[in-house]
Amino acid sequence: NAGVTQTPKFQVLKTGQSMTLQCAQDMNHNSMYWYRQDPGMGLRLIYYSASEGTTDKGEVPNGYNVSRLNKREFSLRLESAAPSQTSVYFCASSKRRTGNTEAFFGQGTRLTVV
Amino acid sequence: GESVGLHLPTLSVQEGDNSIINCAYSNSASDYFIWYKQESGKGPQFIIDIRSNMDKRQGQRVTVLLNKTVKHLSLQIAATQPGDSAVYFCAEDPKSNYQLIWGAGTKLIIKP
Repeated sequence: NAGVTQTPKFQVLKTGQSMTLQCAQDMNHNSMYWYRQDPGMGLRLIYYSASEGTTDKGEVPNGYNVSRLNKREFSLRLESAAPSQTSVYFCASSKRRTGNTEAFFGQGTRLTVV
Repeated sequence: GESVGLHLPTLSVQEGDNSIINCAYSNSASDYFIWYKQESGKGPQFIIDIRSNMDKRQGQRVTVLLNKTVKHLSLQIAATQPGDSAVYFCAEDPKSNYQLIWGAGTKLIIKP
């Protein structure tokens, strides 16, 4: 049981390049999330998907887009990377919304934009 | 305790002692609180949660205390072990759908 799997684990981009971070979960969870974590700070929600077919903005959505491809997969796209997007990105999933249940996190993607 | 900002609070405890990690939450309307543990290079991992209709909840070697009067949450870890070394985050649900408010974290260091 792999849980939440993110790819890639590390990535370096040049300013203006685009890329997609992939996330898949095998726990049959309804809800999926993308967070970013900056040094010395807690996690900030970028986008979430309450259920298959729906996506909504979180606290810091600017510069990102998401796709809930199916129940298992939720991808995060940076269309034109900026140095301010250098961060560690975590995908998570939960059976229900995180307000009343635990979330399971992937190992993270460390992204550097130069 | 926890605070928002660039300086991560650190708690250093002797192996075998009890650890108490504090968290001040921000929203009096929050009705659900959760603690996560994050080891170096890994994603956060659920430890324990508590709802606002409770003031204490116990798990395996961990206890969470909730004081709604002063908006304070604490995580107690009994008989701290080297494997407890990590950053601990508290998070609250202010009922604004799906958007937990996360603390900045407290780094727990275990002294041998």
